[in-house]
Amino acid sequence: DAGVTQSPTHLIKTRGQQVTLRCSPISGHKSVSWYQQVLGQGPQFIFQYYEKEERGRGNFPDRFSARQFPNYSSELNVNALLLGDSALYLCASRRRGAPGTNEKLFFGSGTQLSVL
Amino acid sequence: AQTVTQSQPEMSVQEAETVTLSCTYDTSESDYYLFWYKQPPSRQMILVIRQEAYKQQNATENRFSVNFQKAAKSFSLKISDSQLGDAAMYFCAYRAGWGAQKLVFGQGTRLTINP
Repeated sequence: DAGVTQSPTHLIKTRGQQVTLRCSPISGHKSVSWYQQVLGQGPQFIFQYYEKEERGRGNFPDRFSARQFPNYSSELNVNALLLGDSALYLCASRRRGAPGTNEKLFFGSGTQLSVL
Repeated sequence: AQTVTQSQPEMSVQEAETVTLSCTYDTSESDYYLFWYKQPPSRQMILVIRQEAYKQQNATENRFSVNFQKAAKSFSLKISDSQLGDAAMYFCAYRAGWGAQKLVFGQGTRLTINP
């Protein structure tokens, strides 16, 4: 079975532009989460989606938005890019993502976004 | 808010020896989970080991084991018989048992294995 796949792997944008990152979860997984990892730091939680509904949001500005599609794939959108948005964006999936469970979380290899 | 702290930015160990990576966390929750993730140059986060806070027994996965001290809010990772393939960034992470299913990560420890 394929793992979590993300596209593109690398992306270069300029300040003020908009970007869309894509994630396909493992087959059968209905929960998708997004993380931002700035160079030299641990990942920070951005969003969690389950069954197409937002179930959690981290401390990120409204320029960041996401959605989940009926096939459980997801997109992360960032508007009005800033230099500080340069980071590795990781997507992760799990089967349900319900509270009180300890399902394993599977990560993709990320999209490296550079903002110039 | 929950926080996770890794005080060792870098560690190194000789191949075949044992190394311990430190992690402390802060939470007011009683139900939570703790994890160690490995991030090799491929950038993919790989789960190494996990511990449920309600379990007193320390988790073990082959050469990897943890020392979970709940009262001290400490969660260290021991790697025995270190191998060259263990070289990577290691992140300690916390997740509350209820509510938003988000992981809170530490800053990471870069582990180097010397042949």
